Amino acid sequence: GEDVEQSLFLSVREGDSSVINCTYTDSSSTYLYWYKQEPGAGLQLLTYIFSNMDMKQDQRLTVLLNKKDKHLSLRIADTQTGDSAIYFCAESGNTDKLIFGTGTRLQVFP
Amino acid sequence: DTAVSQTPKYLVTQMGNDKSIKCEQNLGHDTMYWYKQDSKKFLKIMFSYNNKELIINETVPNRFSPKSPDKAHLNLHINSLELGDSAVYFCASSSRFYEQYFGPGTRLTVT
Repeated sequence: GEDVEQSLFLSVREGDSSVINCTYTDSSSTYLYWYKQEPGAGLQLLTYIFSNMDMKQDQRLTVLLNKKDKHLSLRIADTQTGDSAIYFCAESGNTDKLIFGTGTRLQVFP
Repeated sequence: DTAVSQTPKYLVTQMGNDKSIKCEQNLGHDTMYWYKQDSKKFLKIMFSYNNKELIINETVPNRFSPKSPDKAHLNLHINSLELGDSAVYFCASSSRFYEQYFGPGTRLTVT
C-alpha cells in the first residue's frame, strides 16, 4: 500500500538552512506536496511539485524530487523562528486523495 | 475573510452521544473534504464531496455521516461517539485537487 515516511524531529539554529526529508512508496505518485502546520492551526499548503520535475524553488523554499529513489526534500533557507512548525509531506496520484507522512517537527532556536 | 471555517473549534462530549461539526468555504470550490488527525499527528482523509456528491469514502465507520446541503458546506455528523473518535477533524476544499485549503480544525474530545 501507499506509505509516506518522514523523520519526526529536526532542530536548527536561526539563520541556518533546514532540510526536511520524505520517502514514499507509491511509484504512481503524480503530485508531491509540502504542508506546514503551526500549533493549533490547520494545514497550509507551502508548495507542490509534479512528478516529472526534479526541482522547484519558491523564495526561501526549494523542493527536490528524486523519483528513482522516491525521495522528496524541502529546504528552507535562512530559517527563522516563525518557521517552527510541523511539516507534512504528502503524495497523490491524479486524484484528490492525499496520503500524508507522519510529519516532521521543526524547532528553530536562536 | 476566513476561507474555510469550522464550528465548533472545540467539542467535548461523552461516549454514546451524537454530535455534528460544520464546515463552510467561501472560495467557490467544488470539492470539500474531511480529514482526521490523531494524537500522534497522523492525518488521514475520511471523505470527499464534489458538487454535493460523495467521491471518496475511506472505510470510515457508518457512525460517521457527511452531509453536503450545498457545495459551500460539508458537515460531519457522528453517531454513538466512542473514545477512539477523539481527534482533530479538519475540513478542506479545493477547485484543483492539488491545491487543498484547510480549515482551522475541530478538536473533539470524547470522555
